[in-house]
Amino acid sequence: DSGVTQTPKHLITATGQRVTLRCSPRSGDLSVYWYQQSLDQGLQFLIQYYNGEERAKGNILERFSAQQFPDLHSELNLSSLELGDSALYFCASSPLGSGYTDTQYFGPGTRLTVL
Amino acid sequence: GENVEQHPSTLSVQEGDSAVIKCTYSDSASNYFPWYKQELGKGPQLIIDIRSNVGEKKDQRIAVTLNKTAKHFPLHITETQPEDSAVYFCAATPRVSGSRLTFGEGTQLTVNP
Repeated sequence: DSGVTQTPKHLITATGQRVTLRCSPRSGDLSVYWYQQSLDQGLQFLIQYYNGEERAKGNILERFSAQQFPDLHSELNLSSLELGDSALYFCASSPLGSGYTDTQYFGPGTRLTVL
Repeated sequence: GENVEQHPSTLSVQEGDSAVIKCTYSDSASNYFPWYKQELGKGPQLIIDIRSNVGEKKDQRIAVTLNKTAKHFPLHITETQPEDSAVYFCAATPRVSGSRLTFGEGTQLTVNP
């Protein structure tokens, strides 16, 4: 158990809908990262937050957004869902992640299925 | 940007044998190289990592070596056990892009009893 929690574990929804994925980092970790894992794209970095502020952005679609709250939990919002958004979404956390490359610990993931 | 390549995509060994998974990176500015193990239905679990100022790191049956000239950091697993069966991912972090990880495509390791 990494100490990172993600809810829900599974999510099934229809095209055009909007969903919210939630992540709680390990106790004391200030950085949260979101990754998408699909069969054809592998593990892809989406976005990083550090202590409430956006720190880095990857190939995240405009339909996707994220935020980190004062209690350091994070939410990833996916809107106008398409079939191709079906994937595993992982959250990871690290102690720092600002100015230093520290170890990232991954949560169990949320499996999103868009029908 | 950084490009991480991993070989082979599948690897099958007999219990007790050694396994080597190769990983190369392209960005000479990368300074952190973790390996993750992912079991079915679970998230990636860090098994070992190495930084650019270290040449080799070991943890029991697992070791990683870093060759900065060749830009590769293979994973070595000795005395393999059936519970080592999983997908293994290598990753690299380019210094200029902060802490984001760029992953390889993954290697499915199967250890046959």
